[in-house]
Amino acid sequence: GQQLNQSPQSMFIQEGEDVSMNCTSSSIFNTWLWYKQDPGEGPVLLIALYKAGELTSNGRLTAQFGITRKDSFLNISASIPSDVGIYFCAGQLYGGSQGNLIFGKGTKLSVKP
Amino acid sequence: DTAVSQTPKYLVTQMGNDKSIKCEQNLGHDTMYWYKQDSKKFLKIMFSYNNKELIINETVPNRFSPKSPDKAHLNLHINSLELGDSAVYFCASGQSLGYTFGSGTRLTVV
Repeated sequence: GQQLNQSPQSMFIQEGEDVSMNCTSSSIFNTWLWYKQDPGEGPVLLIALYKAGELTSNGRLTAQFGITRKDSFLNISASIPSDVGIYFCAGQLYGGSQGNLIFGKGTKLSVKP
Repeated sequence: DTAVSQTPKYLVTQMGNDKSIKCEQNLGHDTMYWYKQDSKKFLKIMFSYNNKELIINETVPNRFSPKSPDKAHLNLHINSLELGDSAVYFCASGQSLGYTFGSGTRLTVV
Protein backbone atom coordinates (compact mmCIF):
# COMPACT_ATOMS: atom_id res chain seq x y z
CA GLY A 1 0.00 0.00 0.00
CA GLN A 2 0.89 3.66 -0.11
CA GLN A 3 3.33 4.86 2.52
CA LEU A 4 4.60 8.24 3.58
CA ASN A 5 8.09 8.63 5.00
CA GLN A 6 8.17 11.48 7.47
CA SER A 7 11.34 12.81 9.08
CA PRO A 8 12.70 13.47 11.52
CA GLN A 9 10.91 11.20 13.94
CA SER A 10 11.52 13.61 16.81
CA MET A 11 13.17 16.97 17.43
CA PHE A 12 14.39 18.71 20.57
CA ILE A 13 14.96 22.40 20.03
CA GLN A 14 15.45 25.62 21.94
CA GLU A 15 12.72 28.24 21.98
CA GLY A 16 13.25 30.70 19.16
CA GLU A 17 14.86 28.22 16.78
CA ASP A 18 13.45 27.38 13.37
CA VAL A 19 12.19 23.87 12.62
CA SER A 20 11.93 21.92 9.40
CA MET A 21 10.31 18.55 8.75
CA ASN A 22 9.42 16.75 5.56
CA CYS A 23 7.50 13.92 3.97
CA THR A 24 8.22 11.84 0.90
CA SER A 25 6.14 9.26 -0.88
CA SER A 26 6.54 6.71 -3.63
CA SER A 27 3.07 7.72 -4.84
CA ILE A 28 1.72 10.94 -6.30
CA PHE A 29 -0.89 12.79 -4.28
CA ASN A 30 -3.39 15.45 -5.31
CA THR A 31 -3.29 17.13 -1.91
CA TRP A 32 -0.76 17.40 0.88
CA LEU A 33 -1.86 18.38 4.36
CA TRP A 34 -0.08 19.09 7.62
CA TYR A 35 -1.73 18.39 10.96
CA LYS A 36 -0.72 19.00 14.56
CA GLN A 37 -1.82 16.79 17.44
CA ASP A 38 -1.72 18.01 21.03
CA PRO A 39 -1.77 15.44 23.87
CA GLY A 40 -5.24 14.01 24.44
CA GLU A 41 -6.66 15.64 21.33
CA GLY A 42 -7.29 14.79 17.72
CA PRO A 43 -5.14 16.08 14.86
CA VAL A 44 -5.92 19.64 13.80
CA LEU A 45 -5.36 20.85 10.26
CA LEU A 46 -2.59 23.46 9.95
CA ILE A 47 -2.02 23.87 6.24
CA ALA A 48 -3.50 22.32 3.10
CA LEU A 49 -1.69 22.31 -0.25
CA TYR A 50 -3.53 21.62 -3.48
CA LYS A 51 -1.13 22.40 -6.30
CA ALA A 52 2.34 21.15 -7.18
CA GLY A 53 4.91 23.80 -6.32
CA GLU A 54 2.49 25.67 -4.05
CA LEU A 55 4.05 27.49 -1.09
CA THR A 56 1.60 28.43 1.66
CA SER A 57 2.04 30.22 4.98
CA ASN A 58 -0.05 30.26 8.11
CA GLY A 59 1.53 32.63 10.63
CA ARG A 60 4.94 31.22 11.55
CA LEU A 61 4.25 28.05 9.55
CA THR A 62 5.22 27.59 5.92
CA ALA A 63 4.62 24.48 3.84
CA GLN A 64 5.34 23.54 0.26
CA PHE A 65 3.87 20.97 -2.11
CA GLY A 66 6.76 19.41 -3.98
CA ILE A 67 6.89 19.85 -7.74
CA THR A 68 6.91 16.08 -8.28
CA ARG A 69 3.78 15.78 -6.09
CA LYS A 70 5.62 13.16 -4.06
CA ASP A 71 6.90 15.30 -1.23
CA SER A 72 6.18 18.21 1.08
CA PHE A 73 7.92 20.11 3.84
CA LEU A 74 6.78 22.14 6.82
CA ASN A 75 8.83 24.91 8.40
CA ILE A 76 8.12 26.57 11.74
CA SER A 77 9.96 29.81 12.40
CA ALA A 78 10.86 31.22 15.82
CA SER A 79 9.45 28.29 17.76
CA ILE A 80 7.58 28.85 21.02
CA PRO A 81 6.67 26.41 23.81
CA SER A 82 3.09 25.93 22.54
CA ASP A 83 4.49 24.49 19.29
CA VAL A 84 5.12 21.28 21.24
CA GLY A 85 3.18 18.36 19.83
CA ILE A 86 3.20 15.76 17.08
CA TYR A 87 3.12 16.99 13.50
CA PHE A 88 1.72 14.73 10.80
CA CYS A 89 1.90 15.03 7.08
CA ALA A 90 -0.92 13.46 5.08
CA GLY A 91 -1.45 12.82 1.41
CA GLN A 92 -4.81 12.57 -0.26
CA LEU A 93 -6.04 11.27 -3.58
CA TYR A 94 -9.44 12.24 -4.87
CA GLY A 95 -12.12 10.00 -6.14
CA GLY A 96 -13.86 6.82 -5.04
CA SER A 97 -12.09 4.59 -2.59
CA GLN A 98 -8.90 6.60 -2.88
CA GLY A 99 -10.33 9.65 -1.10
CA ASN A 100 -8.87 8.70 2.25
CA LEU A 101 -5.93 10.41 3.87
CA ILE A 102 -2.67 8.51 4.23
CA PHE A 103 -0.66 9.74 7.22
CA GLY A 104 3.05 9.89 7.89
CA LYS A 105 4.30 8.51 11.19
CA GLY A 106 4.63 11.92 12.77
CA THR A 107 7.37 14.22 14.02
CA LYS A 108 7.36 14.78 17.76
CA LEU A 109 8.50 18.31 18.55
CA SER A 110 9.81 19.32 21.95
CA VAL A 111 10.65 22.97 22.65
CA LYS A 112 12.86 23.95 25.57
CA PRO A 113 12.04 27.39 27.01
CA ASP B 1 -20.57 23.57 19.08
CA THR B 2 -18.07 20.78 18.59
CA ALA B 3 -17.73 19.98 14.89
CA VAL B 4 -16.93 16.29 15.37
CA SER B 5 -17.81 14.81 18.74
CA GLN B 6 -17.19 11.27 19.86
CA THR B 7 -18.09 9.48 23.06
CA PRO B 8 -16.89 8.18 25.35
CA LYS B 9 -13.51 9.89 25.79
CA TYR B 10 -12.18 6.93 27.78
CA LEU B 11 -13.30 3.32 27.75
CA VAL B 12 -11.84 0.58 29.94
CA THR B 13 -13.27 -2.88 29.46
CA GLN B 14 -12.45 -6.55 29.84
CA MET B 15 -11.41 -8.93 27.12
CA GLY B 16 -14.32 -10.57 25.38
CA ASN B 17 -16.75 -7.71 25.92
CA ASP B 18 -18.63 -5.88 23.19
CA LYS B 19 -18.47 -2.09 23.11
CA SER B 20 -19.51 0.83 20.92
CA ILE B 21 -18.05 4.26 20.29
CA LYS B 22 -20.33 6.97 18.97
CA CYS B 23 -19.49 9.81 16.59
CA GLU B 24 -21.48 12.76 15.34
CA GLN B 25 -20.54 15.60 12.99
CA ASN B 26 -22.39 18.86 12.39
CA LEU B 27 -20.33 19.99 9.41
CA GLY B 28 -22.67 18.65 6.76
CA HIS B 29 -19.94 16.45 5.27
CA ASP B 30 -20.90 13.45 3.18
CA THR B 31 -18.08 11.20 4.33
CA MET B 32 -17.05 10.07 7.79
CA TYR B 33 -14.08 7.97 8.86
CA TRP B 34 -12.66 5.92 11.69
CA TYR B 35 -8.94 5.91 12.34
CA LYS B 36 -6.94 3.88 14.84
CA GLN B 37 -3.86 5.39 16.50
CA ASP B 38 -1.50 2.87 18.04
CA SER B 39 0.97 3.32 20.87
CA LYS B 40 3.57 4.62 18.41
CA LYS B 41 1.09 7.33 17.31
CA PHE B 42 0.67 5.86 13.84
CA LEU B 43 -2.73 6.80 12.36
CA LYS B 44 -4.30 4.13 10.21
CA ILE B 45 -7.65 4.33 8.48
CA MET B 46 -10.18 1.66 9.38
CA PHE B 47 -13.40 2.64 7.62
CA SER B 48 -15.08 5.39 5.71
CA TYR B 49 -18.76 5.91 5.02
CA ASN B 50 -20.19 8.03 2.23
CA ASN B 51 -23.95 8.61 2.26
CA LYS B 52 -24.47 5.53 4.45
CA GLU B 53 -22.42 3.34 2.16
CA LEU B 54 -19.17 1.74 3.22
CA ILE B 55 -16.57 2.62 0.62
CA ILE B 56 -13.33 1.63 2.33
CA ASN B 57 -12.64 -1.27 4.65
CA GLU B 58 -8.93 -1.55 5.31
CA THR B 59 -8.31 -5.17 6.34
CA VAL B 60 -9.57 -4.73 9.87
CA PRO B 61 -10.94 -7.73 11.76
CA ASN B 62 -14.62 -8.35 11.20
CA ARG B 63 -15.11 -7.90 14.95
CA PHE B 64 -15.15 -4.20 14.06
CA SER B 65 -18.30 -2.98 12.38
CA PRO B 66 -19.20 0.62 11.53
CA LYS B 67 -22.84 1.63 11.76
CA SER B 68 -24.20 4.81 10.20
CA PRO B 69 -27.85 5.59 11.02
CA ASP B 70 -27.65 8.84 9.03
CA LYS B 71 -25.14 11.13 7.33
CA ALA B 72 -24.22 12.89 10.56
CA HIS B 73 -23.40 9.76 12.57
CA LEU B 74 -20.88 6.96 12.25
CA ASN B 75 -20.63 4.62 15.22
CA LEU B 76 -18.01 1.93 15.72
CA HIS B 77 -19.05 -1.37 17.27
CA ILE B 78 -16.44 -3.84 18.45
CA ASN B 79 -17.23 -7.45 19.36
CA SER B 80 -15.16 -9.80 21.50
CA LEU B 81 -12.56 -7.23 22.46
CA GLU B 82 -8.92 -8.32 22.55
CA LEU B 83 -5.89 -6.87 24.32
CA GLY B 84 -4.49 -5.73 20.98
CA ASP B 85 -7.52 -3.54 20.38
CA SER B 86 -6.22 -1.10 22.99
CA ALA B 87 -5.56 2.15 21.17
CA VAL B 88 -7.00 5.60 20.57
CA TYR B 89 -9.80 5.63 18.01
CA PHE B 90 -10.52 8.83 16.09
CA CYS B 91 -13.62 9.69 14.18
CA ALA B 92 -13.27 12.22 11.36
CA SER B 93 -15.41 13.80 8.69
CA GLY B 94 -14.40 15.52 5.51
CA GLN B 95 -14.41 15.71 1.78
CA SER B 96 -11.73 17.05 -0.52
CA LEU B 97 -10.31 19.72 1.77
CA GLY B 98 -8.87 17.54 4.50
CA TYR B 99 -10.58 16.08 7.49
CA THR B 100 -11.84 17.36 10.83
CA PHE B 101 -11.08 14.97 13.65
CA GLY B 102 -12.83 14.27 16.91
CA SER B 103 -10.83 14.34 20.11
CA GLY B 104 -10.50 10.57 20.27
CA THR B 105 -11.61 7.64 22.41
CA ARG B 106 -8.90 5.91 24.40
CA LEU B 107 -9.85 2.24 24.58
CA THR B 108 -8.07 0.07 27.12
CA VAL B 109 -8.77 -3.65 27.13
CA VAL B 110 -7.73 -5.45 30.31
